[in-house]
Amino acid sequence: NAGVTQTPKFQVLKTGQSMTLQCAQDMNHNSMYWYRQDPGMGLRLIYYSASEGTTDKGEVPNGYNVSRLNKREFSLRLESAAPSQTSVYFCASSESPGAGELFFGEGSRLTVL
Amino acid sequence: ELKVEQNPLFLSMQEGKNYTIYCNYSTTSDRLYWYRQDPGKSLESLFVLLSNGAVKQEGRLMASLDTKARLSTLHITAAVHDLSATYFCAVAVYGGSQGNLIFGKGTKLSVKP
Repeated sequence: NAGVTQTPKFQVLKTGQSMTLQCAQDMNHNSMYWYRQDPGMGLRLIYYSASEGTTDKGEVPNGYNVSRLNKREFSLRLESAAPSQTSVYFCASSESPGAGELFFGEGSRLTVL
Repeated sequence: ELKVEQNPLFLSMQEGKNYTIYCNYSTTSDRLYWYRQDPGKSLESLFVLLSNGAVKQEGRLMASLDTKARLSTLHITAAVHDLSATYFCAVAVYGGSQGNLIFGKGTKLSVKP
């Protein structure tokens, strides 16, 4: 049972390059999330999708875009990467916003030079 | 806006000792989660606390929730090295820019022989 799968696991970009992080879940969850984790900052919400067809900004959305492709997949795009976006990115899913408990992917470690 | 504060942020313990991690939050919420993260790994759900006075125990870890004080504790009994990890509390919110769960900054626990 795969749960939440993220790709790629590691990526190095140059400033100004673009890339997309992919996330897929096989738990039939309605809600999906992208968080970033930085040392000493805990996890901060970038964007979330409460249900298929909807997306909303989180705490730190600037510099990112998302697409809820279908119920299973939620992608995060960096259009013009900046060094400040060097971080570990986690995708997560939950049954619904109200159900709360999040199931996390393994994380994607992104370095922007 | 909901804020979640954990303390201490760093905790070095000796094996066999007891200690408590505290999680305070700023506005009303009806559920609180504790997660564990091993270095370089994803987050694993430990406990879900759903009501005032809720207490959950798993092995050497016990979590409790006081919604009136907006306080949750994670108590460690007779610590062992395998408990070394970072522990996060997360509080549920609904809608707005904060999505689903707001995380504390984490408590990095190191258990030494």
